[in-house]
Amino acid sequence: AQSVTQPDIHITVSEGASLELRCNYSYGATPYLFWYVQSPGQGLQLLLKYFSGDTLVQGIKGFEAEFKRSQSSFNLRKPSVHWSDAAEYFCAVAPLLGGATNKLIFGTGTLLAVQP
Amino acid sequence: DTAVSQTPKYLVTQMGNDKSIKCEQNLGHDTMYWYKQDSKKFLKIMFSYNNKELIINETVPNRFSPKSPDKAHLNLHINSLELGDSAVYFCASSPPAAGAQETQYFGPGTRLLVL
Repeated sequence: AQSVTQPDIHITVSEGASLELRCNYSYGATPYLFWYVQSPGQGLQLLLKYFSGDTLVQGIKGFEAEFKRSQSSFNLRKPSVHWSDAAEYFCAVAPLLGGATNKLIFGTGTLLAVQP
Repeated sequence: DTAVSQTPKYLVTQMGNDKSIKCEQNLGHDTMYWYKQDSKKFLKIMFSYNNKELIINETVPNRFSPKSPDKAHLNLHINSLELGDSAVYFCASSPPAAGAQETQYFGPGTRLLVL
């Protein structure tokens, strides 16, 4: 069965420091990969996604992620964190089910706290 | 211009009651979804509809019945509410018939508390 693992439940970084959030997936083929962010009390917003081509993808708000097939990973990075980045981050995969069948399988999320 | 909207935002009710959550999208999308986020923030798909047709039903109890009167709406009715139904319910939509690579756009969520 497909699954997504985010090993870090909670991360605290200082403002201006770099950030890397880990994501590993389990799937028989290369799925489509996504990172979403959820601010407190809000819905989910897409940061970036990967489904083919360049394995380093750029997203909104200065985020990027790198797909590594050999490690089944899709880690999210940001070179300099801002206080407004404090939120819950979800990695998700969309298995290739065909046609209009489409669903996201989410990891358990990583809560990011930013220290001044 | 809210893309995906849900009503109500908060819902507090007693066990055994029946309640509905409404979802509307103005993005022209064909596919809509319901996800449940539990108290540990874990998100899991419940249903998806494409052009008013049920596509995915992830072994959700029969007490949950989605209804799609048209492509822009997907409502969720819950009968005989139980304590374990307390969660945040998210509606989402994605563009026409393009499959798994399409971005899903999420609503703000409905926070349901069953007492």
